[in-house]
Amino acid sequence: KAGVTQTPRYLIKTRGQQVTLSCSPISGHRSVSWYQQTPGQGLQFLFEYFSETQRNKGNFPGRFSGRQFSNSRSEMNVSTLELGDSALYLCASSSGTSGRLIVDEQFFGPGTRLTVL
Amino acid sequence: EDQVTQSPEALRLQEGESSSLNCSYTVSGLRGLFWYRQDPGKGPEFLFTLYSAGEEKEKERLKATLTKKESFLHITAPKPEDSATYLCAVQPYGGATNKLIFGTGTLLAVQP
Repeated sequence: KAGVTQTPRYLIKTRGQQVTLSCSPISGHRSVSWYQQTPGQGLQFLFEYFSETQRNKGNFPGRFSGRQFSNSRSEMNVSTLELGDSALYLCASSSGTSGRLIVDEQFFGPGTRLTVL
Repeated sequence: EDQVTQSPEALRLQEGESSSLNCSYTVSGLRGLFWYRQDPGKGPEFLFTLYSAGEEKEKERLKATLTKKESFLHITAPKPEDSATYLCAVQPYGGATNKLIFGTGTLLAVQP
């Protein structure tokens, strides 16, 4: 079974530009979560999509947005890039069936390394 | 506020020297605690999920345990290939969401 794929793997942008990152989850998985990883803050939750709907959102400014398509693929967009947006952006895929007593195991992709100059 | 603290930040071991990594958590209600391994330049690799105090899980040289306030990842007779950053994360109760709260990780280096 193919794992989570993320494209592109590396990106270099300048301040003020915008960027779109893509994530293809494991086949059959309906939930996609996005995380930002930086050396100082570690992994921080950005948002989660399930069946094309945003199910949860982390504490990030509105410049960070995302969406999910009917085939469960997801994109995230960052507008008006700032130097502090330089990070590894990780996508995690899960079946999406998490409930009160059921924990959904999440599988991460390799990430997109974004550098803002 | 839900929070995860991992210690130590970095650990250097000799091959064969067993040790433990700690993950302390504060959460209103724990749905699950996760351990991941992350190699440089890669995404986290899933290791274990623990659900309730007293639970233990093993995989090769790794054993994860859980109490009401912390989890330990025990590494028995480590090898250089066990060198990586080990991440702990919790999933609190709170509706149908997969949000994970991560600690900042323990960087493990195993020398031959």
